[in-house]
Amino acid sequence: EAAVTQSPRNKVAVTGGKVTLSCNQTNNHNNMYWYRQDTGHGLRLIHYSYGAGSTEKGDIPDGYKASRPSQENFSLILELATPSQTSVYFCASGGTGDAETLYFGSGTRLTVL
Amino acid sequence: GEQVEQRPPHLSVREGDSAVITCTYTDPNSYYFFWYKQEPGASLQLLMKVFSSTEINEGQGFTVLLNKKDKRLSLNLTAAHPGDSAAYFCAVSASSNTNKVVFGTGTRLQVLP
Repeated sequence: EAAVTQSPRNKVAVTGGKVTLSCNQTNNHNNMYWYRQDTGHGLRLIHYSYGAGSTEKGDIPDGYKASRPSQENFSLILELATPSQTSVYFCASGGTGDAETLYFGSGTRLTVL
Repeated sequence: GEQVEQRPPHLSVREGDSAVITCTYTDPNSYYFFWYKQEPGASLQLLMKVFSSTEINEGQGFTVLLNKKDKRLSLNLTAAHPGDSAAYFCAVSASSNTNKVVFGTGTRLQVLP
């Protein structure tokens, strides 16, 4: 069965600190995505990747970087965390083809104090 | 760009009652439509994927209706049971590229015994 694992599940960070959210998938999917979920908003795309070594900006990339060192792993990096980045972050993987089904991780709840 | 409005944000029904969640979208060229279900503490999972060419789509215990004229997508749970208690998200795209998918804000459904 498709599996996307995120770590950590919960994270508390201080303003100005560096935060790295990790995502691992065992689906052998080329595409991976990072979303954030906030009350009053749908899931919003931060960064995505078409494969190892590739990262692309999504709709709200400011303040975030991404890294795809391998097919399986996709990280979201907050170099200088701010309270406005307090949110729930979801990673997802998807195969190629039209309107791919997304397979989501369980989410990371990040609080920036 | 595409905008998706999802209503209601919260819905509480009794077991056996029907529950209807509706999304309206703005792009008349929208072609790909998704419903995702997120059970408490779990990740989002695909409930159904529909294409613009099909107006009525039936799943196990639910129906997805697409009204292209009114640009409205609805999820109708015909006889809700407590296991349906979850958050539901619609997602819409005019493009086959997943990075163009726009999510609704979600509906938290509670089914009371």
